[in-house]
Amino acid sequence: KQEVTQIPAALSVPEGENLVLNCSFTDSAIYNLQWFRQDPGKGLTSLLLIQSSQREQTSGRLNASLDKSSGRSTLYIAASQPGDSATYLCAVTDGNQFYFGTGTSLTVIP
Amino acid sequence: DTAVSQTPKYLVTQMGNDKSIKCEQNLGHDTMYWYKQDSKKFLKIMFSYNNKELIINETVPNRFSPKSPDKAHLNLHINSLELGDSAVYFCASSRQGVNYGYTFGSGTRLTVV
Repeated sequence: KQEVTQIPAALSVPEGENLVLNCSFTDSAIYNLQWFRQDPGKGLTSLLLIQSSQREQTSGRLNASLDKSSGRSTLYIAASQPGDSATYLCAVTDGNQFYFGTGTSLTVIP
Repeated sequence: DTAVSQTPKYLVTQMGNDKSIKCEQNLGHDTMYWYKQDSKKFLKIMFSYNNKELIINETVPNRFSPKSPDKAHLNLHINSLELGDSAVYFCASSRQGVNYGYTFGSGTRLTVV
């Protein structure tokens, strides 16, 4: 069964820093990987979707990479801002459902 | 023009009651899902429907019954609510299974007292 792990569980950085969030999964037979952001008491907002044939996707200050063979993905956030504070979730799919990690809670300190 | 909308946003009810949560998507997606997020923020799939047909039914008590009147709607009915049912329930949709990624609703926070 697919298991998704995210490290660290929580991260606190000063504004302006670049940072990396990590996601690992146990079964490399995935169709795609999706990064989400969840604000407290809110739903999930999709950030980036990487197909299994792709190695990275970029959107603004966000860059996500995927190394399917090693079961890893990273989300890179450049020049962090207080508005980036949220929980970041990664999820992988086997074609039937998405399996979620437990998230990284990010706090960007002004 | 919300893409995936859930109602109600909050639901507080007593043990033993029966309640429903509604979900509608206007994206033209074929597949809809219900996920449960527990107190530790872990998201776990409950049900998946593709074109009104049940695809996934994880180990969920049979007090939970999804109903899909058409491919744009997937409602969740819960009988005989228990304290442990308290959680946030998320509806999501996607095109042709999950190859195109999910779009989530904003969630329904259910509190059973």
